[in-house]
Amino acid sequence: GAGVSQSPRYKVAKRGQDVALRCDPISGHVSLFWYQQALGQGPEFLTYFQNEAQLDKSGLPSDRFFAERPEGSVSTLKIQRTQQEDSAVYLCASSIENTEAFFGQGTRLTVV
Amino acid sequence: AQSVTQPDIHITVSEGASLELRCNYSYGATPYLFWYVQSPGQGLQLLLKYFSGDTLVQGIKGFEAEFKRSQSSFNLRKPSVHWSDAAEYFCAVAHLFTSGTYKYIFGTGTRLKVLA
Repeated sequence: GAGVSQSPRYKVAKRGQDVALRCDPISGHVSLFWYQQALGQGPEFLTYFQNEAQLDKSGLPSDRFFAERPEGSVSTLKIQRTQQEDSAVYLCASSIENTEAFFGQGTRLTVV
Repeated sequence: AQSVTQPDIHITVSEGASLELRCNYSYGATPYLFWYVQSPGQGLQLLLKYFSGDTLVQGIKGFEAEFKRSQSSFNLRKPSVHWSDAAEYFCAVAHLFTSGTYKYIFGTGTRLKVLA
């Protein structure tokens, strides 16, 4: 596609529910990143993939967060047993290696 | 560890006035620096970047930024603001991975309001 596509755009989850957020990167982009943006804050790095390999997951806040990119294209960020503090906008970005990243519009997750 | 500070949380300017958004960074080596803009409900759009060379960088939408190593700053400027510039602006420094790609360390952002 022309840009990074994320779905859903909005998600409301009850506390304790599992959620899955999808990212479809720009075709041909090797690197894929997930960021978390809390209200009033800048985005914070969660994890990154080069093709299907997850090379860094140092930003994942807990073991409830899991990301995958099995075929080196679409990626899914899964959050298990959601908590209120997980409420944020989750941004996906992709890039050709060693260049700046292009961001999707994000998924706004609200945990109630 | 790298960090970025944007000292101004909110800035209000009149349409047609000049603009300067401040950014200070902490990084041991020569940094890769970026400015992104985020409009409501939108993703981040790259305005400009600095990797090396000329310290005055031109970007899209009439923005420019100047890298000053002695002040650890990368301030964003625009000579005449338009109402459509109202948005949130993020400064970022790159953290390089051994693979050669990089992640961003963002500041907390500056929200720009433009008065008609």
